[in-house]
Amino acid sequence: AQSVSQHNHHVILSEAASLELGCNYSYGGTVNLFWYVQYPGQHLQLLLKYFSGDPLVKGIKGFEAEFIKSKFSFNLRKPSVQWSDTAEYFCAVNDPTSGTYKYIFGTGTRLKVLA
Amino acid sequence: EAGVVQSPRYKIIEKKQPVAFWCNPISGHNTLYWYLQNLGQGPELLIRYENEEAVDDSQLPKDRFSAERLKGVDSTLKIQPAELGDSAVYLCASSPSGIGYEQYFGPGTRLTVT
Repeated sequence: AQSVSQHNHHVILSEAASLELGCNYSYGGTVNLFWYVQYPGQHLQLLLKYFSGDPLVKGIKGFEAEFIKSKFSFNLRKPSVQWSDTAEYFCAVNDPTSGTYKYIFGTGTRLKVLA
Repeated sequence: EAGVVQSPRYKIIEKKQPVAFWCNPISGHNTLYWYLQNLGQGPELLIRYENEEAVDDSQLPKDRFSAERLKGVDSTLKIQPAELGDSAVYLCASSPSGIGYEQYFGPGTRLTVT
């Protein structure tokens, strides 16, 4: 069965620090990959997604993620975080060939940015 | 454009009582999902609808959980009877039909069973 691992459960950074959140998945076939964010008191929303093509994907608010197939990874990055990036971040994977449309989510990484 | 609407936002009930959650998806979205999110975990799919048909309910505990999506629009998720372990956030999401579309999530219903 597919699984998604987010090894960093809690991350604390100062403003302007660089961010990298890890995401690894356990499926060797074709995958669609997503990063969702949940700001305090708000609903989950999409940051970025990868389906095919350029493995470096740019999303909203200056976030980007790189798909490395050989490492089964889809790490999220931002060169300089802001206090407003404080949120919980979820990585998710979908197998587009399975026909199930099922998304598997990681356990999330809670990011706190100190002003 | 209105987002996914869920109600109630919070619900506190005693164990063995029934409870129902309601979801109104984004207009035109034929696919509707119900997820369960425990504290410190990511969302886990309970059931997925394509229009009014439940096409994936393999993770739904059918002894106490039920769901319906009459007319392929609004959906209701019910628990009867609730157990202490059902305390969680219940999320509804919708998307256009087809693989690869992003899911749009509602704010969730936080259920506390005492």
